[in-house]
Order: sequence, then C-alpha cells, then structure tokens
Amino acid sequence: AQKITQTQPGMFVQEKEAVTLDCTYDTSDPSYGLFWYKQPSSGEMIFLIYQGSYDQQNATEGRYSLNFQKARKSANLVISASQLGDSAMYFCAMREGRNTGNQFYFGTGTSLTVIP
Amino acid sequence: GAVVSQHPSRVICKSGTSVKIECRSLDFQATTMFWYRQFPKQSLMLMATSNEGSKATYEQGVEKDKFLINHASLTLSTLTVTSAHPEDSSFYICSARDPVLTVGSKTQYFGPGTRLLVL
Repeated sequence: AQKITQTQPGMFVQEKEAVTLDCTYDTSDPSYGLFWYKQPSSGEMIFLIYQGSYDQQNATEGRYSLNFQKARKSANLVISASQLGDSAMYFCAMREGRNTGNQFYFGTGTSLTVIP
Repeated sequence: GAVVSQHPSRVICKSGTSVKIECRSLDFQATTMFWYRQFPKQSLMLMATSNEGSKATYEQGVEKDKFLINHASLTLSTLTVTSAHPEDSSFYICSARDPVLTVGSKTQYFGPGTRLLVL
C-alpha cells in the first residue's frame, strides 16, 4: 500500500484565491511526522510546513496551513491568497517513528498553476 | 538555516563514463544523508541511506555496484554513477540530517539537486 497518496496530479487556482491540495497517508506507527514541500522548476525542495502526529493544533506557516484530520489520515495543505510564484509541484511526505533520521516517504505530487 | 549544497548542479557525460556527485552539509555535521532520484514529473525515489563511517543502506532494486555511495566525513557524501548509461539520466537530490536538532520538523535538509544527462 502507498504510504502517501496525492490524488490531484494537477490543480489550477485563480490568483488571490485559496486552494487545497489533498494528501492522505497510511501508517500503523502512532508517532509520525507529515511534511509539505514545494518544488519549483529549478528543482530545489522547499520545506513549507510540518505536522506532528501528536500535535493538537493544525500547523500554520504564513499563507500555508495544514488541515490535519487524524482519524481520516489526511493532511491537506491549504494555500491562502495564491500568488503567481506559488506555481510549482507540491509534495506531501511522511516520516514514521520517533527517529528523526528515518526516511521520508513522498507522494506523487500535485502540480499547481496559479492563473493571473 | 541549515544549508546543503550539491555539486555539480548539472552534468552531461558520455555513455560508459563515471560521474561523481557531491553532497555537503555547510553548517552542520550530518551523520545521515539520503540520496534520491527523480524522473521528470515524478516523485522522489529514495535510493539509499548513507551513514557516516559505515556502508550505505540501499533500497530494493537499487544496484549497489552501479551507484556507489561514500560518506567519509560528517559533512560530505558522494554518489558515483559508474559506467553511466542514458537510462541513468535523472535528477539526483540529496538530503542531510542534523542530529543536534531535537525538534522533528526540519531535521532533513535538501540539496538543490544535480541534473545528469548521459548521452
């Protein structure tokens, strides 16, 4: 089974609107971390936001927020007030266990295009 | 914040030659580094986990003799693609772990990647 599933290969959003990128995960480990990364055409992986499995509050970082629904095993990324520079690939990732050196499992990504 | 560099950023080589890619942690000591491969419009695929001073752990299906990984110091890991062929053309990304940080969120830092094209 896939550890991370991103069902939206491509998304479009109007500039200044909000957009939600879906991510579901699969793990039996009670301790895990969920991450979102942005990858522009240059290829670099830009860390956006993190949610720990024991965190009570949804994570927020500026215009990014993570809608964490533990029972549904979903960790959707919400980008508010989209900007043209937000056009990129977005990857959801998970790290299982408490060891911060454990590997990351990545989803297949969502290509976001912001329309002026 | 912590920075990881990769060199070269792009490389074109002839089929049959070997190519070495360096991954350096610039302001922290990385006991663990990871090497990923990414094909166009696809996700990152973990190739191997590199631990300083020990042999790398390769993922299933990754040829150890083809992709040589050396992590000889706490700030440098190298990936050597031996006898490269056109099908090895890809985007290679490394990430490094800072063992000092205890907060789980940002303890893996990604390099900018290396685009390899084998002719």
